[in-house]
This record gives sequence, C-alpha cells and structure tokens, in this order.
Amino acid sequence: EIVMTQSPATLSVSPGERATLSCRASQSVSSNLAWYQQKPGQAPRLLIYGASTRATGIPARFSGSGSGTEFTLTISSLQSEDFAVYYCQQYNNWPPGFTFGPGTKVDIK
Amino acid sequence: EVQLVESGGGLVKPGGSLRLSCAASGFTFSSYSMNWVRQAPGKGLEWVSSISSSSSYIYYADSVKGRFTISRDNAKNSLYLQMNSLRAEDTAVYYCARDSIVGASGWFDPWGQGTLVTVSS
Repeated sequence: EIVMTQSPATLSVSPGERATLSCRASQSVSSNLAWYQQKPGQAPRLLIYGASTRATGIPARFSGSGSGTEFTLTISSLQSEDFAVYYCQQYNNWPPGFTFGPGTKVDIK
Repeated sequence: EVQLVESGGGLVKPGGSLRLSCAASGFTFSSYSMNWVRQAPGKGLEWVSSISSSSSYIYYADSVKGRFTISRDNAKNSLYLQMNSLRAEDTAVYYCARDSIVGASGWFDPWGQGTLVTVSS
C-alpha cells in the first residue's frame, strides 16, 4: 500500500502571503496525484489533478507541481476563503485503491 | 447542475447494519464510476469503495472488505452502500463522490454533502 504524508500538519499564513504545502508518497505515483480543499462542515472540493492541472473553476492562484514521490501545492496569495484543510490523494496504485494524505490545515496567522 | 445527495445515515449498534444511498442528478449517471469515501470525526479522508459504470469492477478498502457491499442502479441514478457488522471505528461521515471523467479517472469531482453514520451502543 502506498502511504501518503503531508507537511506541515498546520501552516499559519497571513492573507496575501504565499503558502507552500508538501505531499510525499512512499513510492512513485508518477503524476497520478490530486489535491482537495475542505472547509469546516463541507465536502472536499477538487483543486488539482494530474499533479498540476487545475480543476474547472479553480482560481489561478492555486498551482500544483511535482512527480514521482514529491509534490507541492502552492497558493500564491492567500485569500480569506482559502483557509481550510488540504488533502493530497494518489490514484496511481489503482486498483485496488486510493490513498489520501493526512491533510495540512492552513490557518490565519 | 451536477448533484449528489446522500441519505440513510444514523445511529446503529455495534454489529448492526445500515444502507446508505446516493441520489445523482445533472449528469449521465450510467457513464461514470462512483465511489464512497468516509471521514471519521476530526480525522482525514479514507477511501472505502468504488464501482465502475456498469458494475463490472468493484473494489473495497481492506478495512471494510467482507462487511460492506457497494452497488448501483443506473435506471434509478442511485448508488448504494450496504454496511453490515458495523464497528465503532466505522463511525464517520460517508461521502458519495463521482469519478471526474467518463469511464474512470481516479480523482473525484463532485462530492455529495455526506451522511453521518454513528456506531455506538
């Protein structure tokens, strides 16, 4: 089973600043990685797939990069609505299944 | 508008059963693989099960294999999760999520609002 790790667990950022979130896979997942945003009491929302392709309607301030085992989600200039938990998910080892990272919480500094 | 609406959650005793449903609208349900993902209170996301568009391929997480059964009714635009032998650790919000593209993609979009399952005596 591929294990996903994310760092840091919590990231404190001021509005307007850049946020850089990391995701690591225990073995190569090629570019088969997605990022999701989840706000309290809401369902997750797809941000990025294929490691770097923004989903429909996602603002350009969100960008993804990486391949293999190391991935990064960058939010170029944090807006108030971006404070949330972000999860990465690999879909390379499928079937049999998908695995999510434990999440990074982005909160207000 | 693409929409997924889960129902069927509730309080159940350990060892009990529950059937979750997910009603889909706004897209051609029969063309997409579908998934269940759960989230224990205050915890992260855990993939539970997936089913292909024609039900030909079905997969489960090891944590639910042999206890949960995923199914779908394309005529009714509905996805189901039959949960048996429930345990306290199955307590979670259960989300229905569509594969993002026709066929299968591996990434999920959109998601339903979730239904809470609580397993407790």
